[in-house]
Amino acid sequence: LAKTTQPISMDSYEGQEVNITCSHNNIATNDYITWYQQFPSQGPRFIIQGYKTKVTNEVASLFIPADRKSSTLSLPRVSLSDTAVYYCLVGSGANNLFFGTGTRLTVIP
Amino acid sequence: EAEVAQSPRYKITEKSQAVAFWCDPISGHATLYWYRQILGQGPELLVQFQDESVVDDSQLPKDRFSAERLKGVDSTLKIQPAELGDSAMYLCASSLAPTPGQDTQYFGPGTRLTVL
Repeated sequence: LAKTTQPISMDSYEGQEVNITCSHNNIATNDYITWYQQFPSQGPRFIIQGYKTKVTNEVASLFIPADRKSSTLSLPRVSLSDTAVYYCLVGSGANNLFFGTGTRLTVIP
Repeated sequence: EAEVAQSPRYKITEKSQAVAFWCDPISGHATLYWYRQILGQGPELLVQFQDESVVDDSQLPKDRFSAERLKGVDSTLKIQPAELGDSAMYLCASSLAPTPGQDTQYFGPGTRLTVL
C-alpha cells in the first residue's frame, strides 16, 4: 500500500507561494499522484494529477522528481480562500487508495 | 457543471437504529466510491463499485454496513445497527476511468451522521 506522509500544518501570508511536499517512498510503477483540496464540511476537490516531471494547470503546479518518491504541490500567490486541507493521494488500482491525514494550510492576512 | 448528489445532508440517529445514505453520481461515471471521514482525518475508502459490481470492499465493516448499486447508477450505503463510533461524514465520489488513481474523483457534499 503506497502510503503518504505530509506535514500536518503550514502557515503562509497572502500573496506568497506555498509548497507542500508529500513523501511516498513505496510508490508503485503504475501509481499516479493526485492532490485534492478540502474545505470544512465539503467533499474534497481535485486540484492536479501527475505521473512524473512537472504538471501545471490554472491553479497549481506539481513537481515530481525522477525517483517519484516524493512530490511537491505549489500554489502561487495564495489568498485567504486557499485556507483548506490538502491531501496527496497515491494509487492506481483497487485496494490502493489512501488519503492520509493531509496538510492543513492557513493563509494569514 | 454536473455534480455528485447525496442525501440526506445531515442525519441524527440513536445507536442500534438503521440508517441509509443515497448517492447519485455524475451521469456516465462508471466508478462510484463511498468514503467515511472522521473529524480531523482523511477520507477512508469503504467500498468501490465498477458499474453494479463491487471492486473493493475490504475496509467495509460487513457485519453492519452494506452497499449496493443495483442498476449501476445510483447507490445506497446502509448501516444497521448504528454504533456511536459510526459518527462521521460519509462521502460519495464518482469517476470516469475504471482505474482509480489515474483520473479525477468528483466528490459529493457528504452526509454528516451523528449517532447518539
